[in-house]
Amino acid sequence: DAKTTQPPSMDCAEGRAANLPCNHSTISGNEYVYWYRQIHSQGPQYIIHGLKNNETNEMASLIITEDRKSSTLILPHATLRDTAVYYCIVRVASDTGKLIFGQGTTLQVKP
Amino acid sequence: ETGVTQTPRHLVMGMTNKKSLKCEQHLGHNAMYWYKQSAKKPLELMFVYNFKEQTENNSVPSRFSPECPNSSHLFLHLHTLQPEDSALYLCASSQEPHSGANVLTFGAGSRLTVL
Repeated sequence: DAKTTQPPSMDCAEGRAANLPCNHSTISGNEYVYWYRQIHSQGPQYIIHGLKNNETNEMASLIITEDRKSSTLILPHATLRDTAVYYCIVRVASDTGKLIFGQGTTLQVKP
Repeated sequence: ETGVTQTPRHLVMGMTNKKSLKCEQHLGHNAMYWYKQSAKKPLELMFVYNFKEQTENNSVPSRFSPECPNSSHLFLHLHTLQPEDSALYLCASSQEPHSGANVLTFGAGSRLTVL
């Protein structure tokens, strides 16, 4: 599975959009991009995933560049409860279904 | 409540004890996973079970022994652990492990302290 690079930390003002970048320059054509988040001492929570097209759900939007080498997770109106570690993961369909987590980005939403 | 329930939430054990962590999923999923998260480290995949069969063992020491009696239940049996095994142990499940669009649902975790 391709590796991802994320900034270790970011700040965002409450009520503003939070844009979290992820670089996956070695991604293959059949690898999906996933985003999860982990609020302190809880289990990770699925946010969104995509293959080629931009995706939006009730939690966030995922923007994938045309060459698929990077993506951005957008939280449109960040709240204090969005403070968490955000993980960007790429994986290909496999026999085991495993997800490999990296260090992620710690997002601090400030009042 | 995610649909994946882990018990106990907190466990303290001595190095000579034998204990077990339990995970139960109410989502009708086919795959279950154990992850370990030590302080200030990323999640580490330990084991994967697909349709009750173990398909991944990420070089986990034998003092951790998983058991998957059916697709809804997963156990992690612990014996003669070391203090460095203290961590948050997370269970997850998913519907389509072979699919590229495989979404994992995690439990809240079991916080283990080894004295």
